[in-house]
Amino acid sequence: GAGVSQSPSNKVTEKGKDVELRCDPISGHTALYWYRQRLGQGLEFLIYFQGNSAPDKSGLPSDRFSAERTGESVSTLTIQRTQQEDSAVYLCASSSRTSTPDTQYFGPGTRLTVL
Amino acid sequence: DQQVKQNSPSLSVQEGRISILNCDYTNSMFDYFLWYKKYPAEGPTFLISISSIKDKNEDGRFTVFLNKSAKHLSLHIVPSQPGDSAVYFCAASRGNYGQNFVFGPGTRLSVLP
Repeated sequence: GAGVSQSPSNKVTEKGKDVELRCDPISGHTALYWYRQRLGQGLEFLIYFQGNSAPDKSGLPSDRFSAERTGESVSTLTIQRTQQEDSAVYLCASSSRTSTPDTQYFGPGTRLTVL
Repeated sequence: DQQVKQNSPSLSVQEGRISILNCDYTNSMFDYFLWYKKYPAEGPTFLISISSIKDKNEDGRFTVFLNKSAKHLSLHIVPSQPGDSAVYFCAASRGNYGQNFVFGPGTRLSVLP
């Protein structure tokens, strides 16, 4: 594919349910990032994967959030026992880490609404 | 505590005139600054960047100015076009890599025909 894709584009769930969000990065990009954007706020860093290194999880807001990445391909972000404050747009980005500064390519995002 | 601030949530400009979007930051250790543009239902796209060793970077109609002493940067778009209507995010980083980027809340620019 030409760009970063994310699915689903929209997700409505009930409080307490688990959700799984998917990101397909640009082929060949070693770095993958997850961000969250709440209404009226900037992008909030969640987690970062680089190759086979241990991920940087420093942005995850609670242990209900986790993410995995298979090699240098697909990543899934899982939110367990969703809360209303988890409602946001979740953005994924990938980069090749070859430019200065690092140029991130973003997907269109998944809009999560927790009722 | 916001490290990167964009104090104008929205801005309207007439087509053909100059658009000036402002961004302020608090961390003097930031050494890279970027602007992203976001259309509805799409992800942000990289627009232009500047490193702290420069005070100006230009790319076509887009110029970014950096004032380190004031911890302020601005994006100038000249001339503004209706297709420039979007949300513009300012980001700052200590170091080159994406996981260090701190984003502002964005400014919605409307260019009126």
